Amino acid sequence: GAVVSQHPSRVICKSGTSVKIECRSLDFQATTMFWYRQFPKQSLMLMATSNEGSKATYEQGVEKDKFLINHASLTLSTLTVTSAHPEDSSFYICSATISPLGDVSNTEAFFGQGTRLTVV
Amino acid sequence: AQSVTQLDSHVSVSEGTPVLLRCNYSSSYSPSLFWYVQHPNKGLQLLLKYTSAATLVKGINGFEAEFKKSETSFHLTKPSAHMSDAAEYFCVVSDPGTYKYIFGTGTRLKVLA
Repeated sequence: GAVVSQHPSRVICKSGTSVKIECRSLDFQATTMFWYRQFPKQSLMLMATSNEGSKATYEQGVEKDKFLINHASLTLSTLTVTSAHPEDSSFYICSATISPLGDVSNTEAFFGQGTRLTVV
Repeated sequence: AQSVTQLDSHVSVSEGTPVLLRCNYSSSYSPSLFWYVQHPNKGLQLLLKYTSAATLVKGINGFEAEFKKSETSFHLTKPSAHMSDAAEYFCVVSDPGTYKYIFGTGTRLKVLA
């Protein structure tokens, strides 16, 4: 299957600093990627849809100035947590969708390995 | 709007006994449904998916799920649990227009020796 690589897998940063997380589709082009956040022992919540070459679409309640998303190429989306605070500590996961042979009814998402962010 | 409900937050089974993880969905369209597994501090692994083909879907590691439109269910089963099956399982429905994935709240499977 398609591979989505997320980096770093773990990061610890000081409160007030910014952290960038990368999400790459290694063997396919992804016009759309998604960013999720997972609190401990909870489900994944969609934060935003990252669109190549245009602005990201944020879900209700997600601060776009706090979570900056850049989708500069068809294989890379980045999430920057700006001025991080301890409450931003979480597991962040990206995904990219692919439609084999252009069959949109068979679209499938492939997930990165996740990034565990700890803000101290 | 699409949604999924996982009926059990925790399930415990003995090794070698059957596993049943329940999921009900709500969808205005013919849904695409998925089951993912997540081991502690790991990413998500796709177990199986339903995309309007056969209603009984076979996945990896001996898991399977049956799509029942009349019951709006997509329960995950395995005939015999293994210790390595202990993990968090998510039922997911895909929005056909945006391809957003809507996750259930998850079911934590515990396998007892």
